[in-house]
Amino acid sequence: DAGITQSPRHKVTETGTPVTLRCHQTENHRYMYWYRQDPGHGLRLIHYSYGVKDTDKGEVSDGYSVSRSKTEDFLLTLESATSSQTSVYFCAIPRAPSSGANVLTFGAGSRLTVL
Amino acid sequence: GQQLNQSPQSMFIQEGEDVSMNCTSSSIFNTWLWYKQEPGEGPVLLIALYKAGELTSNGRLTAQFGITRKDSFLNISASIPSDVGIYFCAGYNTDKLIFGTGTRLQVFP
Repeated sequence: DAGITQSPRHKVTETGTPVTLRCHQTENHRYMYWYRQDPGHGLRLIHYSYGVKDTDKGEVSDGYSVSRSKTEDFLLTLESATSSQTSVYFCAIPRAPSSGANVLTFGAGSRLTVL
Repeated sequence: GQQLNQSPQSMFIQEGEDVSMNCTSSSIFNTWLWYKQEPGEGPVLLIALYKAGELTSNGRLTAQFGITRKDSFLNISASIPSDVGIYFCAGYNTDKLIFGTGTRLQVFP
């Protein structure tokens, strides 16, 4: 969908284990975003990137880290997963180069369950 | 953090009825967006609004950017079963997109 792919789409893991989610884009955008979606909270920004090796925190960044070593890949890592990180994670990129960061296109999501 | 208040939380309507939902904030936004999300999918953009007072349509959907820049409205006319889903508003200022909590729409034949 619009050149953005997330993997894995589903993952079940145990508390305390590390988890990495991958977002891959083919649009060559500078900006990439990671959101989490939970009932009653809508989508909340975890981290975003504005270029290779350039990242910044969003409103719910505690417990998460990100890396961007290539333009096309943005990785989200949970160093030690907790049950509160059970959620659906969405990656997003700007809809078009001219729209900047204010109109986003989303991937299909990665559903993470932490037991 | 910033929050958008979206209402109603859920709607159960009959096919053919019109639907209205809104989003309000204590903050001013430069862009208002409306997304629809279906089960197992990511949100899909329906309408983007860039100017206070702007009224934009996309088929049976019409959205408005409030004059105060603190609210936005989405109307769906003559609803059909495929309108089922969760509708999210989103407001943009500075460099962040803030989302509402969603309106879940159910359409009964």
